Amino acid sequence: GAGVSQSPSNKVTEKGKDVELRCDPISGHTALYWYRQSLGQGLEFLIYFQGNSAPDKSGLPSDRFSAERTGGSVSTLTIQRTQQEDSAVYLCASSLGGLAGGEQYFGPGTRLTVT
Amino acid sequence: SQQGEEDPQALSIQEGENATMNCSYKTSINNLQWYRQNSGRGLVHLILIRSNEREKHSGRLRVTLDTSKKSSSLLITASRAADTASYFCAPGIQGAQKLVFGQGTRLTINP
Repeated sequence: GAGVSQSPSNKVTEKGKDVELRCDPISGHTALYWYRQSLGQGLEFLIYFQGNSAPDKSGLPSDRFSAERTGGSVSTLTIQRTQQEDSAVYLCASSLGGLAGGEQYFGPGTRLTVT
Repeated sequence: SQQGEEDPQALSIQEGENATMNCSYKTSINNLQWYRQNSGRGLVHLILIRSNEREKHSGRLRVTLDTSKKSSSLLITASRAADTASYFCAPGIQGAQKLVFGQGTRLTINP
């Protein structure tokens, strides 16, 4: 595709429900990243994929968070039993390779609101 | 922390003036990138400077890098209202496979 796409653009869910956020990276990009940004804050790294494997999951805040990537393309971030503190914008980015400093292309984000 | 730390946190200037934002980091890097974010959504890559470069230009943007001081600066010349955004630096840490972003500088250009 022309750019990184994410769906849904907005999600409102009740506390305790599970949510799935989707990211479609740029075709051919082997590296994929998930970030979280709370209101007025910087980006918080969550997880990095190289192909279908995740060599760095260090940013996942709890075991309620998980992510997978299939076919070296689409990735899904799942949050189980959502809490109000999970409310944030979730951003996905992709890059050609996973080496440090590769230019990252960001999607528009999914704004998650947990009520 | 390995992240870049931007300074100032907020900057407000008049249209036409130059804006300077600074970034400091703590470890050895391969390169350093600057990104812009409008309205709290996706980031847009602005410029990348490699560790063996000292200065780089792109249009109205000028980036400097001083690896001895572990610092970088982003200069936007002849600012426009459309430059209003948050700006983030992202050091590409040696041996790492991810970028770590700081809190950003919120730039406001007043007409």
